[in-house]
Amino acid sequence: DAMVIQNPRYQVTQFGKPVTLSCSQTLNHNVMYWYQQKSSQAPKLLFHYYDKDFNNEADTPDNFQSRRPNTSFCFLDIRSPGLGDAAMYLCATRPVGGHSMNTEAFFGQGTRLTVV
Amino acid sequence: DQQVKQNSPSLSVQEGRISILNCDYTNSMFDYFLWYKKYPAEGPTFLISISSIKDKNEDGRFTVFLNKSAKHLSLHIVPSQPGDSAVYFCAASPGGTSYGKLTFGQGTILTVHP
Repeated sequence: DAMVIQNPRYQVTQFGKPVTLSCSQTLNHNVMYWYQQKSSQAPKLLFHYYDKDFNNEADTPDNFQSRRPNTSFCFLDIRSPGLGDAAMYLCATRPVGGHSMNTEAFFGQGTRLTVV
Repeated sequence: DQQVKQNSPSLSVQEGRISILNCDYTNSMFDYFLWYKKYPAEGPTFLISISSIKDKNEDGRFTVFLNKSAKHLSLHIVPSQPGDSAVYFCAASPGGTSYGKLTFGQGTILTVHP
């Protein structure tokens, strides 16, 4: 059973047209992450939520926003996609805090974004 | 500033032999290390991890070794199987109030030949 689900798996969007990627989880984990991965590169953390607290990485462009309306769902909004934003976007969850500091993160299958 | 590095982009191994994937890190605050396996068009799946208080962790065919003084870890797969062919990512997480952020290496493409 899929525990972290990303929709859609493949997304084609026009240059400059806002796009939203979604992620849902059934694990009830308090932390959710969004990573961007370009070909042959390391996944790069864009931002994460610790419960409702939003934490942006210093080098994440303003073009990228996120929403977490509840524990289960998290969205990645790209306000004006450029050609350089074409990538695989990975959502992950992790239980963090208390006795759960050393645990693995669970990833969704990713959304491959193409910008035309 | 790449804090986690996998210097070998690819590795080719014969079925049945040992695969050794290497990873180096620079941030001494990292205290938990993980290996993930990734197939094309899929998300990474967790393989094995190790805490900084250990130097070895074993799970079936997979063993991870940690050398803290050298800031180096390695993943050993014995025996290697064709189904192990994938991209392997090393990741590291600092302790404290970092909310478990994982920093990844660039990955190593492992090909296991029948």
